[in-house]
Amino acid sequence: AQSVTQLDSQVPVFEEAPVELRCNYSSSVSVYLFWYVQYPNQGLQLLLKYLSGSTLVKGINGFEAEFNKSQTSFHLRKPSVHISDTAEYFCAGSDNYGQNFVFGPGTRLSVLP
Amino acid sequence: DTGVSQDPRHKITKRGQNVTFRCDPISEHNRLYWYRQTLGQGPEFLTYFQNEAQLEKSRLLSDRFSAERPKGSFSTLEIQRTEQGDSAMYLCASSLQGLLLETQYFGPGTRLLVL
Repeated sequence: AQSVTQLDSQVPVFEEAPVELRCNYSSSVSVYLFWYVQYPNQGLQLLLKYLSGSTLVKGINGFEAEFNKSQTSFHLRKPSVHISDTAEYFCAGSDNYGQNFVFGPGTRLSVLP
Repeated sequence: DTGVSQDPRHKITKRGQNVTFRCDPISEHNRLYWYRQTLGQGPEFLTYFQNEAQLEKSRLLSDRFSAERPKGSFSTLEIQRTEQGDSAMYLCASSLQGLLLETQYFGPGTRLLVL
């Protein structure tokens, strides 16, 4: 069964610093991976997704993620964060073409001035 | 189309009462999903529809929960005899079934508080 872990529950970082949010998955079948962002009092918004092909996926708002099959990871990165990036970030996986989503517990990114 | 909408955004009820939430998906999307999100956790899958057919239900969906999508458009999620443990954010998402990877688009959620 698919499972997704996010080891960091909270990540504080100063504005304009780089950030990496970690995500690891487990699956014995083909895997599809997503990162969603949830701003306060809002719904989840898709940042990026990985299906196949290039292991480096670029998303919105300057975020990117790299699929690493050998390490079963899909870490999210941004070279320079802004205050407005403060939000909850969820990694999610699916083993069935986008159905059967399993979400990680989330990482709260706090960007400090 | 402005995306997935949910109504109400907030609901406060007393234990034992019934509540019903509504979700309006993106108009051309044929799949609709319900999730529950508790504080500090990621969303947990509850159930999903393809058109009007309910194809999968999570074991989290007890007998007190029922979901419908009668015409393959909007959906309702009803919780009967609410319990304090039902307090959570209930999220709806929709997607378009196709050959490529589906993307689920989420609504803003309905926050339920059971007193």
